Amino acid sequence: GAVVSQHPSWVICKSGTSVKIECRSLDFQATTMFWYRQFPKQSLMLMATSNEGSKATYEQGVEKDKFLINHASLTLSTLTVTSAHPEDSSFYICSARDLAGFTDTQYFGPGTRLTVL
Amino acid sequence: AQSVTQLGSHVSVSEGALVLLRCNYSSSVPPYLFWYVQYPNQGLQLLLKYTSAATLVKGINGFEAEFKKSETSFHLTKPSAHMSDAAEYFCAVTAGGGQNFVFGPGTRLSVLP
Repeated sequence: GAVVSQHPSWVICKSGTSVKIECRSLDFQATTMFWYRQFPKQSLMLMATSNEGSKATYEQGVEKDKFLINHASLTLSTLTVTSAHPEDSSFYICSARDLAGFTDTQYFGPGTRLTVL
Repeated sequence: AQSVTQLGSHVSVSEGALVLLRCNYSSSVPPYLFWYVQYPNQGLQLLLKYTSAATLVKGINGFEAEFKKSETSFHLTKPSAHMSDAAEYFCAVTAGGGQNFVFGPGTRLSVLP
C-alpha cells in the first residue's frame, strides 16, 4: 500500500524556537494533505487542509501565523510550529490523499511527537 | 457536518472473550467509515473501512464491523480477544471525495489475562 512518511518522528525543542515537520507521500502524488494534532489521551483533531500550490485552509481556532503550512510539491507538505511553547507539545499526524486510478484513499503518516521545554 | 461518538472511553475484556467497541456516526451525506488502532506512542493503523460496498466489513487481525444505516452505527467486533489487542481504537467518518476525517474520541481496550 501507499506510504506516507513524517520527519522527524520526534523532536524536543526549547520554548520560543521554531520546528518544521515534513510529511511526504513516498509512492504517489498528493494534491491534498491534512494535518491533525493529538493531545495526550485525546483524539485527533484536524488542524488544516494543505493543497498543493495554494494556501492552506485552517480549522477554526488554529492560528495560521503560528502553524505555517507549505505544500510546494505534490509529494511534500511541511508544518512549521513557530515560536513554540509548552502548550504546543503534541503528536502531529499528517495524511495524504491518493487519487490515482479509481481510488480516493487517504493514508496516514506515523506521526511526529513534539515536546517543547 | 459529520460527527462520531464512541460509547465507552475504556473497555475491559478477558482474553478470549468477545470484543465489542461501539461507534455511532452522524453524516449529512453517505459516509465512509473507518476503524483505526493506535498503540502507545505510535501512529494510526487501519483496521478496516466501509466505503458503500458490503455492509459487513472484515479487517485485519480478526476484526470486523457492520454498517447499519438505520442505527447510524459501525460497531467493531472480534470474537476472541488477544493480549496484543490492547490499544486505543478510533472510529472515523469522512464524506469521501478527499474530505478530511472526523475522529471519535477513542476507546481504550484493555485485555485481562
